[in-house]
Amino acid sequence: DTAVSQTPKYLVTQMGNDKSIKCEQNLGHDTMYWYKQDSKKFLKIMFSYNNKELIINETVPNRFSPKSPDKAHLNLHINSLELGDSAVYFCASSQLSSGALDTQYFGPGTRLTVL
Amino acid sequence: GDSVTQMEGPVTLSEEAFLTINCTYTATGYPSLFWYVQYPGEGLQLLLKATKADDKGSNKGFEATYRKETTSFHLEKGSVQVSDSAVYFCALSGRGGADGLTFGKGTHLIIQP
Repeated sequence: DTAVSQTPKYLVTQMGNDKSIKCEQNLGHDTMYWYKQDSKKFLKIMFSYNNKELIINETVPNRFSPKSPDKAHLNLHINSLELGDSAVYFCASSQLSSGALDTQYFGPGTRLTVL
Repeated sequence: GDSVTQMEGPVTLSEEAFLTINCTYTATGYPSLFWYVQYPGEGLQLLLKATKADDKGSNKGFEATYRKETTSFHLEKGSVQVSDSAVYFCALSGRGGADGLTFGKGTHLIIQP
């Protein structure tokens, strides 16, 4: 009964390739997020989606594109991978209510290594 | 913009010691405040939260109080265990919740038997 799941858990690929990371939540939440955790463990928001609309886009390169086929899924597609994209990517979800942030639930993370 | 500052680690303590991890924040308005914990090789788990000034969040023996006057949300535990070894992140929510969380840089806690 995993609340937020991500696939794959590990992804090793060559520079220049295109890859996708999938995220699914079964909590019925209306907002999903992608975060990047660098090698120093620093976490930074990349995107959030609310009811299939992009709410924020934190100055990430346009090689990164979130795609949400429905409210329960927010996939991350990355074009032309670069060495600097190596990191752990976390998906999260929450239920926004009355304009207040409810608890965000995180997936287990995807460790991306670009060679 | 919003920011969160945590004490730098690693923090190394002996089992049963008292723990404090400092966290201060800068934000417009009245954010909600969170502590998340990341055990080795795992994702982030919510440890506790507080949504308004003077609220105290608590869980698993950990506590933190939302102090608006000092813009702080320090994490405390009276007696740590080896199993508490992890990375602890202080975070705040932005306006309306839709901005996602702003995290501190994390504090690596190591508890020695």
